[in-house]
Amino acid sequence: KQEVTQIPAALSVPEGENLVLNCSFTDSAIYNLQWFRQDPGKGLTSLLLIQSSQREQTSGRLNASLDKSSGRSTLYIAASQPGDSATYLCAVCEETSGSRLTFGEGTQLTVNP
Amino acid sequence: DADVTQTPRNRITKTGKRIMLECSQTKGHDRMYWYRQDPGLGLRLIYYSFDVKDINKGEISDGYSVSRQAQAKFSLSLESAIPNQTALYFCATSDPFSEGEGTDTQYFGPGTRLTVL
Repeated sequence: KQEVTQIPAALSVPEGENLVLNCSFTDSAIYNLQWFRQDPGKGLTSLLLIQSSQREQTSGRLNASLDKSSGRSTLYIAASQPGDSATYLCAVCEETSGSRLTFGEGTQLTVNP
Repeated sequence: DADVTQTPRNRITKTGKRIMLECSQTKGHDRMYWYRQDPGLGLRLIYYSFDVKDINKGEISDGYSVSRQAQAKFSLSLESAIPNQTALYFCATSDPFSEGEGTDTQYFGPGTRLTVL
């Protein structure tokens, strides 16, 4: 059974700092990996999707990398802002599961002004 | 208007009551999903549907049922609600043949907060 782990569970940083969120998964036979953002009491917003054949994806100040063989992904946030404060969720879609996602528990990020 | 909508947004009910949560989407996606989110457990898949005639159980389907009334509508029912079904419920959609943001990106609704007393 696929298991997804996110470290750290919570992170507090000053504004302007560059930071890295980590995601690991136990079964490397994945189809894609997605990073989501969740604001308190709100739904999930897709940030980046990396196909299994890709090594990284970038969107603005966000960069996500994927090392499928080692079962790891990182989300890099450059020049963090208070508006980046949210919970960041990693989810993997396995090759044999169709479109079903297995989620990690998330990293709660606080960026202090 | 939001692409994926859920009704109601909040619901408080009593043990034993039948509850229906509804999801509608305007994205034209064939695939739809129901998840629940619990503190410390993350999001878990309840049911998913790849088209109107294709409905499948997810990781935690016991105590739940679904109906795919049309491509755009996917409802989740709790036949006899119990307190441990208190959670935040999310509907999502995806298109495995989409391009742009990434094939099969899942788009989530705003969630329904359900409390069973």
